[in-house]
Amino acid sequence: EVQLAESGGTFVQPGGSLRLSCAASGFTFRNYGMTWVRQAPGKGLEWVSYISSTSGTIDYADAVKGRFTISRDNVKDSLFLQMSSLRAEDTAVYYCARVAAGALFNWGQGTLVTVSS
Amino acid sequence: QSALTQPASVSGSPGQSITLSCTGTTSDIGVSNYVSWYQQHPGKAPKVMIYEVSNRPSGVSNRFSGSKSGNTASLTISGLQAEDEADYYCVLYTNTGTWVLGGGTKLTVL
Repeated sequence: EVQLAESGGTFVQPGGSLRLSCAASGFTFRNYGMTWVRQAPGKGLEWVSYISSTSGTIDYADAVKGRFTISRDNVKDSLFLQMSSLRAEDTAVYYCARVAAGALFNWGQGTLVTVSS
Repeated sequence: QSALTQPASVSGSPGQSITLSCTGTTSDIGVSNYVSWYQQHPGKAPKVMIYEVSNRPSGVSNRFSGSKSGNTASLTISGLQAEDEADYYCVLYTNTGTWVLGGGTKLTVL
């Protein structure tokens, strides 16, 4: 069974930094691209970033470009999102998701990031 | 890349069929087969219901079907059930390697 478990979400002040992690199991992690998607409280889903299986392709939404960095460790089956210069509008539940057939096939339960002074 | 357009809300009665729409442009949905649909219940993670426009993952009820015509993708739910009440999102994987999401439709089962 595919399982994705995010961690690292917490309360942080504006301008601060945070690193989210996503532990994967139940599939061959190194064979799949991965994404981060976020959802602000009471709002819709927003794609954040994508990384290919080999880290050869990386993309970001315009809203986070230059502030967030996606990475992965194919030995430890883990995905990461380094977030810096955090803003109030970055407050959201952050989900990691496995990519297959151009879709987000499996999702974690999410981790909440709150940016506030 | 602009977001995809979905109606904010749709409602239907148990047993009915309803169709949710997702409108893009000739340069995105119009040329892509990578349209997927997700169901999200309150407080839960999204779940993929349809991928590649009309394919259903194993375990998803055959009451859910997807299609596309021109710039608009559609998700049809037949035999509406109370458990179908949720938010539904369409997602497009673009030819530039990014994802574009719709704003979501809140489905109410009356």
